[in-house]
Amino acid sequence: DAKTTQPNSMESNEEEPVHLPCNHSTISGTDYIHWYRQLPSQGPEYVIHGLTSNVNNRMASLAIAEDRKSSTLILHRATLRDAAVYYCILRGYNNNDMRFGAGTRLTVKP
Amino acid sequence: ETGVTQTPRHLVMGMTNKKSLKCEQHLGHNAMYWYKQSAKKPLELMFVYNFKEQTENNSVPSRFSPECPNSSHLFLHLHTLQPEDSALYLCASSQEKDSKAKNIQYFGAGTRLSVL
Repeated sequence: DAKTTQPNSMESNEEEPVHLPCNHSTISGTDYIHWYRQLPSQGPEYVIHGLTSNVNNRMASLAIAEDRKSSTLILHRATLRDAAVYYCILRGYNNNDMRFGAGTRLTVKP
Repeated sequence: ETGVTQTPRHLVMGMTNKKSLKCEQHLGHNAMYWYKQSAKKPLELMFVYNFKEQTENNSVPSRFSPECPNSSHLFLHLHTLQPEDSALYLCASSQEKDSKAKNIQYFGAGTRLSVL
């Protein structure tokens, strides 16, 4: 199964942009890249997903490398409420199992 | 509020007790999931139900018994658990389409289980 690699932790200042990287060098052509986040004492929350093109929604942007071996989740202006563990996950066509991994713990400083 | 409600939020039980976790989704989805999140370990998928039929069981011990009476409700029946079963149990739901690759899962807040 394709797996992802993320830094264990990152820090950001409030109201600054945050770029959260994810490597997935063994991604297959049909795998979608999903990002979820888990705030303290809550279940995971969907953030964004994409296949090849960059994606934007009200929460974040997803930048996907041309070779699809890496991607970056971009929070344009971090708030204290964005402090969470962020998970980068690959999902195949017929795959129910979302492999969450350890994720990146984002700390946002006021 | 995610549309997925889990009860109870916290549960303490002895190893000889029988208890049940409940999950209800108000999103009209047709698939529901149980996950386990242990301390310092990634989330692990336990069971998947699609249109009330169990489609996946990830080698979960028989002391965990799922039940899905309809597409909106999911239970996890627990009996003779071990202390290492203490964890956060999360329920999720999704609307299954032709490709699982694009499905978005919506999670409840979880039940924090402690087995003494």
